[in-house]
Amino acid sequence: AQTVTQSQPEMSVQEAETVTLSCTYDTSESDYYLFWYKQPPSRQMILVIRQEAYKQQNATENRFSVNFQKAAKSFSLKISDSQLGDAAMYFCAYRSEVNYGGATNKLIFGTGTLLAVQP
Amino acid sequence: KAGVTQTPRYLIKTRGQQVTLSCSPISGHRSVSWYQQTPGQGLQFLFEYFSETQRNKGNFPGRFSGRQFSNSRSEMNVSTLELGDSALYLCASRRQLSSYEQYFGPGTRLTVT
Repeated sequence: AQTVTQSQPEMSVQEAETVTLSCTYDTSESDYYLFWYKQPPSRQMILVIRQEAYKQQNATENRFSVNFQKAAKSFSLKISDSQLGDAAMYFCAYRSEVNYGGATNKLIFGTGTLLAVQP
Repeated sequence: KAGVTQTPRYLIKTRGQQVTLSCSPISGHRSVSWYQQTPGQGLQFLFEYFSETQRNKGNFPGRFSGRQFSNSRSEMNVSTLELGDSALYLCASRRQLSSYEQYFGPGTRLTVT
């Protein structure tokens, strides 16, 4: 079974600085998707960025970028020029590519990293 | 375009009661998934529905059930509530089963006393 591990329960960053959130995962599959979701205090989960495992190029979305190391099964999120609005819980998530037996593929989440942004 | 909506947003129930939560997906999305979020267990997958059929189920007891209607709206039901069922229940929709992005609703906060 696949697992996702976020080893940093809490992180803190100064406004305008850069912070990196770590995520590792375990899988025997070769095709899959990885995601970072943000859950602000309002509780609405928002998709921040995604990465297809077959793509070697790291995904980037404005101030958010990932460092995807497939062999190491590592998927970290870098937030540049941190803003107060970035304060939230961040979840790393995994989804299989292949359907087995017709069942769909659920999202498997890590335990989350609570990011605080200091003004 | 409206996002995923969930009703009610907050709910307080007593042990032994049952509860029904509702989720309306984004227009055009045919898949609805449900997740339970608790401080102790984190985010756990409950089930996913597509075309009114359950396509996958997580490791939850039979007290947790769901259904999907022809307009893609979904409901989940929890019978014989236990204190441990207190959680934030999140609904997420995606356009097709082949779509890898899911969009989440704001959740229903269920408190069991």
